[in-house]
Amino acid sequence: DVKVTQSSRYLVKRTGEKVFLECVQDMDHENMFWYRQDPGLGLRLIYFSYDVKMKEKGDIPEGYSVSREKKERFSLILESASTNQTSMYLCASRDRGNTGELFFGEGSRLTVL
Amino acid sequence: SQQGEEDPQALSIQEGENATMNCSYKTSINNLQWYRQNSGRGLVHLILIRSNEREKHSGRLRVTLDTSKKSSSLLITASRAADTASYFCATDARGGSNYKLTFGKGTLLTVNP
Repeated sequence: DVKVTQSSRYLVKRTGEKVFLECVQDMDHENMFWYRQDPGLGLRLIYFSYDVKMKEKGDIPEGYSVSREKKERFSLILESASTNQTSMYLCASRDRGNTGELFFGEGSRLTVL
Repeated sequence: SQQGEEDPQALSIQEGENATMNCSYKTSINNLQWYRQNSGRGLVHLILIRSNEREKHSGRLRVTLDTSKKSSSLLITASRAADTASYFCATDARGGSNYKLTFGKGTLLTVNP
């Protein structure tokens, strides 16, 4: 069974803290993505990566950074968490190319107090 | 702005009825995909239709694509309570980035037993 695993389902952090959200896939996929999902706004792309050490900004990259040191792992970093980053974060991966389905993790619900 | 927009935002039906959800998009696409999301979980891929296809079936799902109107519909026949979920369309834009899918805001389907 193919799998995308997000390390934390629920996190509570304080404003100003540095937050790491980890995502690991076991399908040897080239492409990995981070989305955030908010009520009424749907899924919005934060960053994506098409290869190790490669990254590209999505639609809402401000306040976030990413790291892809190994093919299977894609990390989302909030350098200084703010309350407006309270959200559901979804990681996804897919194989090389632009015609395949995305495989999603279960999501990480982050609350910033 | 969202590439895909689902309509209606919410739909409530009785078990056994058919459910139809629509998606409109703005630019030319390579393909269009539909995903399902149970409450608080990640998204699961349902079906992909390519820009040169007009209709596709998978079990109780039927997807149509009209590229002249830039729209797609997802029909779920003989709905069940277990079909209760949010449904999203996603598009890979032709000529745009090869690597990202853009999602709509979703349709929340409730199937009442």
